[in-house]
Amino acid sequence: DTGVSQNPRHKITKRGQNVTFRCDPISEHNRLYWYRQTLGQGPEFLTYFQNEAQLEKSRLLSDRFSAERPKGSFSTLEIQRTEQGDSAMYLCASSSSGAGDYGYTFGSGTRLTVV
Amino acid sequence: KQEVTQIPAALSVPEGENLVLNCSFTDSAIYNLQWFRQDPGKGLTSLLLIQSSQREQTSGRLNASLDKSSGRSTLYIAASQPGDSATYLCAVKNSSNTGKLIFGQGTTLQVKP
Repeated sequence: DTGVSQNPRHKITKRGQNVTFRCDPISEHNRLYWYRQTLGQGPEFLTYFQNEAQLEKSRLLSDRFSAERPKGSFSTLEIQRTEQGDSAMYLCASSSSGAGDYGYTFGSGTRLTVV
Repeated sequence: KQEVTQIPAALSVPEGENLVLNCSFTDSAIYNLQWFRQDPGKGLTSLLLIQSSQREQTSGRLNASLDKSSGRSTLYIAASQPGDSATYLCAVKNSSNTGKLIFGQGTTLQVKP
């Protein structure tokens, strides 16, 4: 297991199109998180899963955003009707509830550019 | 509402210097605080985690301190090296029941050979 994997690494899309990102966490991690990061800023929390249950959603996650984690393994983040303001790096992280907050592992992110 | 601030936004030092990065937070009732490192275009790497009951944590040349009452944490880097060049982010977690980390905007460090 080489860590948290995110695909694609880069995505360029036209405004109004739908996009979907995938995150594969570390296999033994039952917690999965999505964050968004814009240039020069720290990451902002979007949502959090424990196993397949989505336990928290940020107010940043508008109706156009949806995240799923079927079967408690990989997760997808979909953005519908993209807007230029959605351009950002989308980061996924995973951790194990048994380890507390130790071992928080981030992926390298998906960079979205909306033109 | 918890807010996390990191000053300065950028720092440039010659190799070998000891340095301190600062992080402040507005609500002292935190559960824990983490320091992360981010290299350009990459994800974050966890460096040190301090629980609310702890005062400091050390890993190699890194030492992080926490003063909850004043809402401050510092990351001390000893004998800096060019490989330490990166953005350093601090993040607080407000309770054990949340998955949310609240990040500062980061300090971008450049260590010159």
